[in-house]
Amino acid sequence: KQEVTQIPAALSVPEGENLVLNCSFTDSAIYNLQWFRQDPGKGLTSLLLIQSSQREQTSGRLNASLDKSSGRSTLYIAASQPGDSATYLCAVASISGSARQLTFGSGTQLTVLP
Amino acid sequence: DAGVTQSPTHLIKTRGQQVTLRCSPKSGHDTVSWYQQALGQGPQFIFQYYEEEERQRGNFPDRFSGHQFPNYSSELNVNALLLGDSALYLCATSRTGEAKNIQYFGAGTRLSVL
Repeated sequence: KQEVTQIPAALSVPEGENLVLNCSFTDSAIYNLQWFRQDPGKGLTSLLLIQSSQREQTSGRLNASLDKSSGRSTLYIAASQPGDSATYLCAVASISGSARQLTFGSGTQLTVLP
Repeated sequence: DAGVTQSPTHLIKTRGQQVTLRCSPKSGHDTVSWYQQALGQGPQFIFQYYEEEERQRGNFPDRFSGHQFPNYSSELNVNALLLGDSALYLCATSRTGEAKNIQYFGAGTRLSVL
């Protein structure tokens, strides 16, 4: 059974700081790994998706890496801004029976202080 | 192109009642997955529908049931509501056969059970 863990659970940083969010998973047989952003009371916004054959993806100030062999991914946020404050969720796509399903971590709640 | 739409946005029920949540998929998508997100937790997979049949189910009791219609839209039904069913219910849709298996999420339905 796939399990996903995110560390830290919460993080508070001053504006402008670079930061790293961590995600680990127990079963390396994955299709892809996805990072989402969730604002309070809202749905999920996809930030980056890394296919199992890839090692990293970049979008603007965001960079996500994937190391399948060690079961780890990191989300790097450069020059953080107060608008980056949100919960960041990591999810891995695995096959279960005939379906591809996402298994999520519990998230890292990020606060960027002005 | 409309994305994934869910209705209603908020719902308040009392213990023992039944509830139906609805999801319309993104254009071109034929697969619908439902997730439950309790406060402070990551979403948990409930089940997935494809070709009007339940393809895979997570660790949820039979009180949770679903349906998919010929137009690919879907309903989630929960019977005999418990206080612990209070959560954000998220619908995600995708296109079967697409290699990247990107799932697009709706904004969710917030269910409160009193």
